[in-house]
Amino acid sequence: DIVMTQSPLSLPVTPGEPASISCRSSQSLLHNYNGQYYLEWYVQKPGQSPQLLIYLGYNRASGVPDRFSGSASATDFTLKISRMEAEDVGVYYCMQSLQTVFTFGQGTKLEIK
Amino acid sequence: QVTLKESGPALVKPTQTLTLTCTLSGFSLSTTAMRVSWIRQPPGKALEWLARIDWDDNKFYSTSLKTRLTISKDTSKNQVVLTMTNVDPVDTATYYCARIAPGMGYGMDVWGRGTTVTVSS
Repeated sequence: DIVMTQSPLSLPVTPGEPASISCRSSQSLLHNYNGQYYLEWYVQKPGQSPQLLIYLGYNRASGVPDRFSGSASATDFTLKISRMEAEDVGVYYCMQSLQTVFTFGQGTKLEIK
Repeated sequence: QVTLKESGPALVKPTQTLTLTCTLSGFSLSTTAMRVSWIRQPPGKALEWLARIDWDDNKFYSTSLKTRLTISKDTSKNQVVLTMTNVDPVDTATYYCARIAPGMGYGMDVWGRGTTVTVSS
């Protein structure tokens, strides 16, 4: 199975400041035939179910604010928040879907500094 | 409105079989390229992907749990069922089902609220 490793595991950020979460995969997530990166980002806000933020490496899901962006390379992926807001607090997970067995990262807890 | 709702027993004894149902609303699993996954989350821990079933009845399982899991669908009832055999206290978790719709890779765009299962004698 592909192993997903996130860093940092905890990230305190001052409101209005940027935030960046890294996710590394043990194998390339680039699909050989269509050139897409099979990497998603989810956020689980306190007391809620997870929700999709980014799909195929860098595409924002419907309704996701444009302060969220994703970048992708073969094995290195980054989720960036341009300006932290209080409502962004939660645990962020990356997940690979290149293989039929999906795997999540350990999660990064984003909190207000 | 697209929704998914998980249901099942709140308490299961060790070695028993757990059966969870995900009831779909607002979409059909008979639609081409539609898929549904199950994911779980032990208390205070990370998400763990369990299984997936596709519109064409293809099925995929977690490597570590595949001998214990069975996923199935009943399109007429708009339901997806996950069974887990020989449960153990480590299977205590909140279990979610989520939709994978066409056009977003395998992004799970709609999740249920989850159902909490405790395994204890």
